[in-house]
Amino acid sequence: GAGVSQSPSNKVTEKGKDVELRCDPISGHTALYWYRQSLGQGLEFLIYFQGNSAPDKSGLPSDRFSAERTGGSVSTLTIQRTQQEDSAVYLCASSSTGTGFYEQYFGPGTRLTVT
Amino acid sequence: DAKTTQPPSMDCAEGRAANLPCNHSTISGNEYVYWYRQIHSQGPQYIIHGLKNNETNEMASLIITEDRKSSTLILPHATLRDTAVYYCRVDRGSTLGRLYFGRGTQLTVWP
Repeated sequence: GAGVSQSPSNKVTEKGKDVELRCDPISGHTALYWYRQSLGQGLEFLIYFQGNSAPDKSGLPSDRFSAERTGGSVSTLTIQRTQQEDSAVYLCASSSTGTGFYEQYFGPGTRLTVT
Repeated sequence: DAKTTQPPSMDCAEGRAANLPCNHSTISGNEYVYWYRQIHSQGPQYIIHGLKNNETNEMASLIITEDRKSSTLILPHATLRDTAVYYCRVDRGSTLGRLYFGRGTQLTVWP
């Protein structure tokens, strides 16, 4: 079946511009995560959506970052007034939830370059 | 989360077993050991997890020491497609929440 998809795959933007990154999770998955990965670095958690609960925003690095999840499915990560340090690969993942172990399935990521 | 330590890189010949170590000396009694891998330009992929006992699935085997302070991921017959960065992490509970990965081990499988 279809996996997690993200768009665009690559985005180059000028410093100070706003960008929107999109994530389409696997159908039926109630949990959705955003991460970012800078070159040669590990994975950094940004935000977590679970069903209709308030999202866990504790990983967002600044108030320039925000995310929405509409209708419990598609999510958009918005970065306002982009800075060069925002350059990274932004990864989205989704999973089922409940009792027991549920694997997170990752999308291919959006490579953001801020010039 | 307990910290983990992994070697930055390892090599393995195709067809041989790849043994990837991870130290997690401060692991708590209720924390699981998880392994993921990330092939270049792709998102991370779950491999296996365990608490105390050794585990095996279609992808790999996980050996956890009796004191749980270290573990080894074993790819029994490495292929070129197993070339990737392998991440070890520990976390509480049986349902994954947010993930934090360190730099992992770059495994290179050569022909």
